[in-house]
Amino acid sequence: SYEMTQPPSVSVSPGQTANITCFGDKMGDKSASWYQRKPGQSPVLVIYDDAKRPSGIPERFSGSNSGNTATLTISGTQAMDEADYYCQTWDNSVAIFGGGTRLTVL
Amino acid sequence: QVQLVESGGGLVKPGGSLRLSCGASGFTFSDYFLSWIRQAPGKGLEWISYISRSGSTTYYADSMRGRFTISRDNAKNSLFLQMNSLRAEDTAVYYCARTLRGPYWYFDTWGRGTLVTVSS
Repeated sequence: SYEMTQPPSVSVSPGQTANITCFGDKMGDKSASWYQRKPGQSPVLVIYDDAKRPSGIPERFSGSNSGNTATLTISGTQAMDEADYYCQTWDNSVAIFGGGTRLTVL
Repeated sequence: QVQLVESGGGLVKPGGSLRLSCGASGFTFSDYFLSWIRQAPGKGLEWISYISRSGSTTYYADSMRGRFTISRDNAKNSLFLQMNSLRAEDTAVYYCARTLRGPYWYFDTWGRGTLVTVSS
């Protein structure tokens, strides 16, 4: 079955750029979505179709996908962005989530 | 305002059954695919199942096919998950999510979740 690998943790200083990667075989041939989950809250969609941003999501969130890696980029990271982030795609009518990355804003 | 509210979680013994419900408001329920997704304590997100607009088509994760059944009642704006033969590893917060299609499907709205604990 298809698998996607994320780094367990990423740290970033406030105001800097955070890049969270999601590695999967020929990931660029698929479409990636990204979800933000803060403690005690439900997941929130922040990126879909690789790079589209839902209404209400700040412009500092962006996405890309090519080769074997999808990337979520947070520019000018803020303290409120500290959360777990999950990538997601589909394979043979089955939804697959990456293992999640904890973003720490130091 | 688009809203999904899960209910029906609780404590159940191993081997037992539970039926989760998800009530929807703020959108035309019958126009959308829907999914169930769970998160076990300290673990990541795990997709369980999705159901088509009419309910005629369903898909399941391999590990839950045969034990879990997804269904919907469009007249009552409700989604359901029947869970049988529950195991300790099914302990998780269960979310319902509206499911949209781009090149691939994605989950644009999530409920707050309902906790299922499987323990003797």
